[in-house]
Amino acid sequence: NAGVTQTPKFQVLKTGQSMTLQCAQDMNHEYMSWYRQDPGMGLRLIHYSVGAGITDQGEVPNGYNVSRSTTEDFPLRLLSAAPSQTSVYFCASSPGANTEAFFGQGTRLTVV
Amino acid sequence: GQQLNQSPQSMFIQEGEDVSMNCTSSSIFNTWLWYKQDPGEGPVLLIALYKAGELTSNGRLTAQFGITRKDSFLNISASIPSDVGIYFCAGPYSGGGADGLTFGKGTHLIIQP
Repeated sequence: NAGVTQTPKFQVLKTGQSMTLQCAQDMNHEYMSWYRQDPGMGLRLIHYSVGAGITDQGEVPNGYNVSRSTTEDFPLRLLSAAPSQTSVYFCASSPGANTEAFFGQGTRLTVV
Repeated sequence: GQQLNQSPQSMFIQEGEDVSMNCTSSSIFNTWLWYKQDPGEGPVLLIALYKAGELTSNGRLTAQFGITRKDSFLNISASIPSDVGIYFCAGPYSGGGADGLTFGKGTHLIIQP
């Protein structure tokens, strides 16, 4: 009963490096999304997808790319990491855009 | 985008006490969600509300969807140590046409022995 699985759990990057945060869900949900959580803040929407092949920008999309080639997977790419992207990243899936979302355990990213 | 104001920011209570927290929005919502986050974990859904005036319980937790559709309340009765954590309210995000959720900044619940 995996739900939403994120990898890696922790990552340290140097400024300018690129990496991909992985997210997979086994609930056959059409809607998937990425959020970042900063100290003292709630979660903020980065990008989302309403189905395979369809992605769109959320509240804070700059510096991030996404793709959705399958229903199950929704990776988040940082093309050139910056210290401002130090954060905890959460992937979520849900039956619809504004319905209850199920979250992964998060990836704690530090950019030095 | 719209803002969610969640209060109080933190609560220090004794085990066994009841807890109340609330969330207000600058715009009307058709969905209110309440989540709990433990350290190092992702948020876990506690209660989902879809109708104005709706009152829903989940064990010792009770949440209400405000009549004005701009607020919601979460109550925890007879708190226990495992209730410690951060509680978030969330509703539909409506900034720039994007679909998703917007979250409050959370209420930190701390239980004193």
